[in-house]
Amino acid sequence: AQSVSQHNHHVILSEAASLELGCNYSYGGTVNLFWYVQYPGQHLQLLLKYFSGDPLVKGIKGFEAEFIKSKFSFNLRKPSVQWSDTAEYVCAVNALSGNTGKLIFGQGTTLQVKP
Amino acid sequence: EAGVAQSPRYKIIEKRQSVAFWCNPISGHATLYWYQQILGQGPKLLIQFQNNGVVDDSQLPKDRFSAERLKGVDSTLKIQPAKLEDSAVYLCASSLEASYSYEQYFGPGTRLTVT
Repeated sequence: AQSVSQHNHHVILSEAASLELGCNYSYGGTVNLFWYVQYPGQHLQLLLKYFSGDPLVKGIKGFEAEFIKSKFSFNLRKPSVQWSDTAEYVCAVNALSGNTGKLIFGQGTTLQVKP
Repeated sequence: EAGVAQSPRYKIIEKRQSVAFWCNPISGHATLYWYQQILGQGPKLLIQFQNNGVVDDSQLPKDRFSAERLKGVDSTLKIQPAKLEDSAVYLCASSLEASYSYEQYFGPGTRLTVT
């Protein structure tokens, strides 16, 4: 069965620190990859996505993620975090077989940025 | 553009009682998803509708959970009878079509507590 693992459950950083959140998936076929973010009191919203092409994907608010197929990973990065980046970050995978749009989510990482 | 609406936002019930959640997707979105998110875990798909037909309900506990989308617009998810382990946030999402190509937009969720 497909699964997604996020190894960092709770991350605390100071402003201006660099961020990297890990995401690994288990599926041998072609996948699409997503990072969602949920700011306090708001809905889950799409941060960035990878379908094909350049494995380095740029998202909103300075976030980027790199797809490394050999490592089954899609890690999220940001060079310098801000207090406003405090949120829950969730990685998701869509296996292309079937193509129903079904997403498999990781358990999420809570990021707390200290001012 | 109005987002995905859900109600109620919070619900507390005793075990063995029944409960219903309502979702109104973004206008024009053919696909509607119900997810269950237990504390500390990522969202898990319960059921997916394409218009008023079911695309995937493989992880819906059908002995106690039911869902309908009779007119292909809004949807209701019901639990009867509820168990303690049903305590979770129930998220509704919608997309234009049932494909990875289309972004899923999430509602605010309904937080259910079963005592």
